[in-house]
Amino acid sequence: DIQMTQSPSSLSASVGDRVTITCRASQSISSYLNWYQQKPGKAPKFLIYAASSLQSGVPSRFSGSGSGTDFTLTISSLQPEDFATYYCQQSSSIPLTFGGGTKVEIK
Amino acid sequence: QVQLVESGGGVVQPGRSLRLSCAASGFTFSAYGMHWVRQAPGKGLEWVAVIWNDGNIKYYADSVKGRFTISRDNFKNTLYLQMKSLRAEDTAVYYCARADNYGDYELGYWGQGTLVTVSS
Repeated sequence: DIQMTQSPSSLSASVGDRVTITCRASQSISSYLNWYQQKPGKAPKFLIYAASSLQSGVPSRFSGSGSGTDFTLTISSLQPEDFATYYCQQSSSIPLTFGGGTKVEIK
Repeated sequence: QVQLVESGGGVVQPGRSLRLSCAASGFTFSAYGMHWVRQAPGKGLEWVAVIWNDGNIKYYADSVKGRFTISRDNFKNTLYLQMKSLRAEDTAVYYCARADNYGDYELGYWGQGTLVTVSS
């Protein structure tokens, strides 16, 4: 199974800050990497697919990059509605696996 | 718009069975692969199972293989998860998710989830 490791597990940031979350795969997954946002008590929301492609309707302040084993999710200017937990997920092979999550909290 | 509504969760004793349903609407159900993903209280996301659009191919996480069965009824636009020999560690919110237009392993749309609690 492919292990997905996210860092940090949590971070505190202020509105307007630039935030970067890292996701590392235990083996190469090419660009088969997706990002989700989850708010408390809600279902996850699909944000980014194929490492860097924004899902329709996702604000352009979100961006993704990387390939192989190392990936990043960047929020260029954090907004109040962005405080949530973010998960990466590899879609290279079954079983699908998620990172442990990164909780973005208000400083 | 795409809508997925899970049902069937509840409190069940260890060793017993439960069947979850996911009613789909707003898209051509028979054209998409469907997944179950779960989340234990306060924990991260765990993929459970996938079924191809025609129902002929299914894959499972090792943690549920042999105990859970994913199925679908393309006439009723409904996805199912039959869970047997339930354990305390199966306690979680169970989400159904539709494959995205991009690919079968990208989870483009999610239901609101249904809570399964395994406890004596």
